[in-house]
This record gives sequence, structure tokens and C-alpha cells, in this order.
Amino acid sequence: QKEVEQNSGPLSVPEGAIASLNCTYSDRGSQSFFWYRQYSGKSPELIMFIYSNGDKEDGRFTAQLNKASQYVSLLIRDSQPSDSATYLCAVNKFYFGSGTKLNVKP
Amino acid sequence: DGGITQSPKYLFRKEGQNVTLSCEQNLNHDAMYWYRQDPGQGLRLIYYSQIVNDFQKGDIAEGYSVSREKKESFPLTVTSAQKNPTAFYLCASSILGLAGGPDEQFFGPGTRLTVL
Repeated sequence: QKEVEQNSGPLSVPEGAIASLNCTYSDRGSQSFFWYRQYSGKSPELIMFIYSNGDKEDGRFTAQLNKASQYVSLLIRDSQPSDSATYLCAVNKFYFGSGTKLNVKP
Repeated sequence: DGGITQSPKYLFRKEGQNVTLSCEQNLNHDAMYWYRQDPGQGLRLIYYSQIVNDFQKGDIAEGYSVSREKKESFPLTVTSAQKNPTAFYLCASSILGLAGGPDEQFFGPGTRLTVL
């Protein structure tokens, strides 16, 4: 069983702060990692993907991958109330964590 | 307008009935997927298909069946053998189907199935 673990939250941050979301995975051979945002009752939408160790930045979002520690994270800078959603980590495309609920307080 | 459509949006099923959920894409993607999401949970893979007339079981295929007769369509049948089918069902597609592949999945709007 390939496991992907996320803290369910909720993670509460004030508007303008940095939100840090974490994900660990069990399959050491995993190659691709995805972060999706899912609003309540809606389908997931892709935020970022990362394949190589290190950081990848896209606007306010930074994905960090550490394959040795089997750990991937998502940083959201200057958090906005519209960022309030559940963030899903996916490993090797098929395997999803249960998600972390983020609340950004105005 | 390219994208993935799922129908119906809401579906109610009586116990013992089979129901079929529709999924259509016009993105010209080779791979299509079906996931199930329960409240407060992540997505679990039911079936996926990398090419027409071929599909593979995911982690929770029991009680479900699929077909892939056309590239654009990947319907999911929830059979009476599925003991707890009430869930949110999501269809997705991607350019490729490799498990470790770099291609992102595009999701449809979902079908919410309730067993009465």
C-alpha cells in the first residue's frame, strides 16, 4: 500500500502570512509530486508539480521536495482569504493524501 | 471550449440498482481515470485507462466496472456489488497514463452519488 500522509488541519493563518503545508510519502521510488487545491464541493485543480529535489517557485507558491526524507511541502506566501481551501498532495499521480484544510483569516 | 464533462451532477440510487456515471473529454487526452472521494478523505483510484479498449484496476475496483470504447468517453458503472457507494465521484484525464509521469490530471466537476 503506497501511503501519502498529510495533517488534516485545519491550519489557520492570518491574511498576508506564509502558510506551510506538508506531505510525506512511503514509496521511496516515487518520481512525481503534485499539489491540488480543492474548494468545498468542487473538483481539485492543479497548483504545482515538482519532480526534482529542491524548490520550485510559481508566483506566491513554492513547492519543496526532499526525496531522501520522502517529504514534499507547499508554501503559500502573502496568503489571501481566497486561498482558504483543502490542499491535496498527490504522489506518482494516482496516490492522494487526505488533504490539509487551510483557513486564511482576514 | 476544451474540458471534461460529467453527468449527472447528482444521482440517487436505490439499493440493488446498477447506475452509470458519464465522463466525456474533448482534450484529446489518451489517459482517463475514475476516483472516489469520501467526506474528509483524499481521492482513491477506482480504474484508469491509458488507451482505447484497455483499462486497469485501481485500489478500490471491486463493485465497479468501466469501458473505453472511444477515446473521448470513459463511463463508470456502480454495480449492486458495491456495498457503500455513496460518495463523490471524479473523472480525470491526462495526456499520458504512466504512474510516475509528468503530466497533470484535469478533473471534471464530479458526480455526487447517494444511495437511498
